[in-house]
Amino acid sequence: DGGITQSPKYLFRKEGQNVTLSCEQNLNHDAMYWYRQDPGQGLRLIYYSQIVNDFQKGDIAEGYSVSREKKESFPLTVTSAQKNPTAFYLCASSIAGKKLNIQYFGAGTRLSVL
Amino acid sequence: LAKTTQPISMDSYEGQEVNITCSHNNIATNDYITWYQQFPSQGPRFIIQGYKTKVTNEVASLFIPADRKSSTLSLPRVSLSDTAVYYCLVGGLDTGGFKTIFGAGTRLFVKA
Repeated sequence: DGGITQSPKYLFRKEGQNVTLSCEQNLNHDAMYWYRQDPGQGLRLIYYSQIVNDFQKGDIAEGYSVSREKKESFPLTVTSAQKNPTAFYLCASSIAGKKLNIQYFGAGTRLSVL
Repeated sequence: LAKTTQPISMDSYEGQEVNITCSHNNIATNDYITWYQQFPSQGPRFIIQGYKTKVTNEVASLFIPADRKSSTLSLPRVSLSDTAVYYCLVGGLDTGGFKTIFGAGTRLFVKA
């Protein structure tokens, strides 16, 4: 059953703590993305990766970090430098090099601050 | 990246056809137009993509006039389950196809 798996579904962060959100895909897609969504708002791009071992900042990368060591995995770390991390985080993947890449999304991780 | 403008919200009744229009006046020659649907607490889901004229699939139609400065997503005979947010995106590889912009979208409310 192909798709994108995000975990955990809910995550709580303490003050000064780094937390890592997992994103795994078995669609054999080259490109992967991380978005943040605040209540009632659209999605904002945090980071994207076109290929393994390469990634680029999106519009709101400050306070976040990513890695892309494997094609299937694109974990997002929310660092303590991100002062307002409470949001819904969405991971997506797409085939690279095709039109405006059609993105396939995971079910999301909801992050809250304790 | 081309900026898009959509209505903030729309209301409809079950069984009606719903048309959501998106304006994208500065669309580039190689840009495609893509629509997504998002339900609360879920990731967006691809609906349809087109470049010009008309595209139809099993869930929607996309109408794009010759000047491509706007596009209309048409949902035939909506049901309550079509209540969602609909996003219009414009872009292509030479305008950063990997870098997409989701605006606030259009919130569609379908009533019984």
